[in-house]
Amino acid sequence: QKEVEQNSGPLSVPEGAIASLNCTYSDRGSQSFFWYRQYSGKSPELIMFIYSNGDKEDGRFTAQLNKASQYVSLLIRDSQPSDSATYLCAGNGGATNKLIFGTGTLLAVQP
Amino acid sequence: DAGITQSPRHKVTETGTPVTLRCHQTENHRYMYWYRQDPGHGLRLIHYSYGVKDTDKGEVSDGYSVSRSKTEDFLLTLESATSSQTSVYFCAISEASALGADTQYFGPGTRLTVL
Repeated sequence: QKEVEQNSGPLSVPEGAIASLNCTYSDRGSQSFFWYRQYSGKSPELIMFIYSNGDKEDGRFTAQLNKASQYVSLLIRDSQPSDSATYLCAGNGGATNKLIFGTGTLLAVQP
Repeated sequence: DAGITQSPRHKVTETGTPVTLRCHQTENHRYMYWYRQDPGHGLRLIHYSYGVKDTDKGEVSDGYSVSRSKTEDFLLTLESATSSQTSVYFCAISEASALGADTQYFGPGTRLTVL
């Protein structure tokens, strides 16, 4: 069974700190990975996607992909209370047009 | 919001009744998906569609059927609702890419309660 695993948290960080969210995947055929943010009672919204090994930066967010170790991470710099949400990691699990989602990590940024 | 609407947004129904949820998109995307989201399970794919009249099962398809007679509409039917189908249902759309899966964008969700 293809899986994407995340620590459910909660991950608590102080305001202004770096939040590090991690995700591992089982299918070596996975090529593309996505991070979504989901506020309580709302739908998931895309933060970033990453296809290549290494880092990809977008504002305060950096996605990291290491295909050899099969992990994906999301760093949030200068964390704000408004970043408090559940973060979902997803991978495409091979050459299909489907995503496999992790169960999400709850992030709490303390003012 | 990628032009996706879902209806109804909230529904309460009784065990054994049929229920249909509608997903409507305005941007002519080829791929459409239905997920359910439950505490501890994350988002699980129910069914998806890769074109008009072309659908396939996801990991939790038992008890659900879908139809797509027009590009813009993807319907999810619970043939005989059960309490285990109480959940939040999300529709999503995407476009194919050479890498196999492109970004999915989600609708606002439908909260379904089966009594």
